[in-house]
Amino acid sequence: KQEVTQIPAALSVPEGENLVLNCSFTDSAIYNLQWFRQDPGKGLTSLLLIQSSQREQTSGRLNASLDKSSGRSTLYIAASQPGDSATYLCAVSFGPTDSWGKFQFGAGTQVVVTP
Amino acid sequence: NAGVTQTPKFRVLKTGQSMTLLCAQDMNHEYMYWYRQDPGMGLRLIHYSVGEGTTAKGEVPDGYNVSRLKKQNFLLGLESAAPSQTSVYFCASSSRDGPYEQYFGPGTRLTVT
Repeated sequence: KQEVTQIPAALSVPEGENLVLNCSFTDSAIYNLQWFRQDPGKGLTSLLLIQSSQREQTSGRLNASLDKSSGRSTLYIAASQPGDSATYLCAVSFGPTDSWGKFQFGAGTQVVVTP
Repeated sequence: NAGVTQTPKFRVLKTGQSMTLLCAQDMNHEYMYWYRQDPGMGLRLIHYSVGEGTTAKGEVPDGYNVSRLKKQNFLLGLESAAPSQTSVYFCASSSRDGPYEQYFGPGTRLTVT
């Protein structure tokens, strides 16, 4: 069974510092990878999706990279703000048999940005 | 454009009772999913559907049933609730055209006593 791991489980940084969140997966034959944000008691909000043919995706202060050979994706959040406090989850779709969109989720990294 | 909606938002059941959770999406997506989220375990796929009238089992299907009679709706049923089914349930949908980006509903918090 493919596994998705996010370490650390929790992270606290002062405002203004860059955030680096890690996601590791055991099978390099991935189809795509999606990063989500989850606020307490809320649903998941999609941040970025990286297809297997891409090495990175950017949206505003967010940048996600993908290294299939090492089984790793990294989400960078530049100049963190208290509003970035949330849990961040990564989800991996393993192909080709799962390439229609079934994702395996990591347990998430809980981030606190202190003013 | 409401996206993915779920009803109810909260529910408390006694052991042995039954209930149905409703998921609706207005994005004309073919694929729909039901997940449960438990502390420290991430999201786990219960059942999914690749189109109207078709459903399939995910990672943790026992104790649940689903139906997809209309393209926009995906129902999750608990026939005889157990305390182990206390969880937060999320519905998601995606287009059948790649890259299958998933869109989530706000969740249903279910407690079984």
